[in-house]
Amino acid sequence: SQKIEQNSEALNIQEGKTATLTCNYTNYSPAYLQWYRQDPGRGPVFLLLIRENEKEKRKERLKVTFDTTLKQSLFHITASQPADSATYLCALELASGYALNFGKGTSLLVTP
Amino acid sequence: GAVVSQHPSWVICKSGTSVKIECRSLDFQATTMFWYRQFPKQSLMLMATSNEGSKATYEQGVEKDKFLINHASLTLSTLTVTSAHPEDSSFYICSARDKITEGYTFGSGTRLTVV
Repeated sequence: SQKIEQNSEALNIQEGKTATLTCNYTNYSPAYLQWYRQDPGRGPVFLLLIRENEKEKRKERLKVTFDTTLKQSLFHITASQPADSATYLCALELASGYALNFGKGTSLLVTP
Repeated sequence: GAVVSQHPSWVICKSGTSVKIECRSLDFQATTMFWYRQFPKQSLMLMATSNEGSKATYEQGVEKDKFLINHASLTLSTLTVTSAHPEDSSFYICSARDKITEGYTFGSGTRLTVV
């Protein structure tokens, strides 16, 4: 069956450190892998998209890697801040314009 | 960037009544809108794909007669939960693709509580 797995346990880190979140998937061949941030009671907010033929993407303090052989993506937040505390969702898009398939998300808590 | 406005943010209704949720694309035309549902501590689950001017496509297990979707214009899609029951209580979210970022823009969500 198709699965998208993210760290089930919450991730607690100290301000200034790098947070690394993992997304693994099985029985999917996504054209795109996307990361979203979701705050309690709010809709997800788009952060980054990486294509199947890309290995790494960066945007400010964010970095995403994508390994289609391992079927894994890593999401890094460098120099983390308390404001980065949220749930981060991994989503797969099988082809452009298709609906997203989401993981359950990983809760990140950055403490001062 | 692309903005999707969703209303209401929350609604409480009595069992057996209907509730309408609206999603508007404010600065772009959304020919396709996706409707998701999210239960506590769970991932977003796709309910249906709404296409402007045609019938919505529903995911397996989603009752199309219960969750009525209308996408009559390029900027408005609505989801009506008919004859709501307590088990329909959930967080409903719409989204549309942002052609510039290629990511998806989501509405702020509607918390539905059926009592």
